Amino acid sequence: AQTVTQSQPEMSVQEAETVTLSCTYDTSESDYYLFWYKQPPSRQMILVIRQEAYKQQNATENRFSVNFQKAAKSFSLKISDSQLGDAAMYFCAYRTPWGTSYDKVIFGPGTSLSVIP
Amino acid sequence: EPEVTQTPSHQVTQMGQEVILRCVPISNHLYFYWYRQILGQKVEFLVSFYNNEISEKSEIFDDQFSVERPDGSNFTLKIRSTKLEDSAMYFCASSEVVWGLPYEQYFGPGTRLTVT
Repeated sequence: AQTVTQSQPEMSVQEAETVTLSCTYDTSESDYYLFWYKQPPSRQMILVIRQEAYKQQNATENRFSVNFQKAAKSFSLKISDSQLGDAAMYFCAYRTPWGTSYDKVIFGPGTSLSVIP
Repeated sequence: EPEVTQTPSHQVTQMGQEVILRCVPISNHLYFYWYRQILGQKVEFLVSFYNNEISEKSEIFDDQFSVERPDGSNFTLKIRSTKLEDSAMYFCASSEVVWGLPYEQYFGPGTRLTVT
């Protein structure tokens, strides 16, 4: 069974600085999707960034970028120029491969990010 | 931009009562999902639904849970006799179907269920 692990329950970063959130996962599949979701205090689930496993190039989305290491099954999120609005719970997630008849997203336990003014 | 909507945003119910959580998926999506997040814990998959039947369900989704697509726009999750441990945030998600298979999932804003 697929699992997602986030070893950092809490992280903090100074405003305007850079922070990296770690994520590892376990799967026997070769093709799959990885995501980072942001959950602010409102508890809405917001997609931050998405990575297809077959793509070697790391995904980027403005100040957010990932370091995808497929062999190591590692998928970290880097937030540059941190802003107060980045403070939230961040979930790493794995999605079963497209092309399978069953489909679900498996979430990690989350990392709570605080941004210090 | 189309989005998944959920009502109500917060539902308070007494233990033993039935509750129905409602979701309106994105209009051209055909795969639907429910997830649950107990406060302070990770998000857990409950059930997926396609072509008017359950596609997959987790161990959490026992006989007290049911899902339905009562019309062309709504997707509901019913909890027959709520327990205190059902208190959680419930997220609906939907995805379009490409070549008969589900694509990207889009999440709704969630319904906070409080069982007293």
